Amino acid sequence: EPEVTQTPSHQVTQMGQEVILRCVPISNHLYFYWYRQILGQKVEFLVSFYNNEISEKSEIFDDQFSVERPDGSNFTLKIRSTKLEDSAMYFCASREQAGYGYTFGSGTRLTVV
Amino acid sequence: ELKVEQNPLFLSMQEGKNYTIYCNYSTTSDRLYWYRQDPGKSLESLFVLLSNGAVKQEGRLMASLDTKARLSTLHITAAVHDLSATYFCAVRNNAGNMLTFGGGTRLMVKP
Repeated sequence: EPEVTQTPSHQVTQMGQEVILRCVPISNHLYFYWYRQILGQKVEFLVSFYNNEISEKSEIFDDQFSVERPDGSNFTLKIRSTKLEDSAMYFCASREQAGYGYTFGSGTRLTVV
Repeated sequence: ELKVEQNPLFLSMQEGKNYTIYCNYSTTSDRLYWYRQDPGKSLESLFVLLSNGAVKQEGRLMASLDTKARLSTLHITAAVHDLSATYFCAVRNNAGNMLTFGGGTRLMVKP
């Protein structure tokens, strides 16, 4: 069964450093998403991406965040200057244009120290 | 703004018992999703409910949707320990295509 692949599975970074989280969506999917989940809390929407541009973003997705699809297969989330409160599990998801289902990756646990 | 509320937030039950998790949402939506999450793991899709009155069943889990009441239920029949996990409902925002998640129900099934 096709999967959404995320790397790394766990990243520890110093506060103020930049991090890039990587995702490889399912190949025929056209909509891409990033969500985050702070430990023990609910899953929160960050951003959606379609046709090489952001289609929606939440209030969490401020100027510190950016997304990119650099090469037609990878989908990245960059946090420019990490804060302690950015520590969370970050999930990438993708969806077919006509499909109903959202497929989530296995997540990247980001720890900011 | 779409709000999604689940209850209960925590559920401890004995094996063999039945119980229902509730998911209420605040604005009209055409799609409701149920996910299972094991500790430290990703979100596993359980059900997609697309229309009023939709009912789907898989094993000991059955999900239903009442779009008029803006309510979905996830019913657990004769619970077993393997069902212990956190269950999330998520609603697609009709104004866009992202999902808004409920707070999750942590289910613990005791032998």
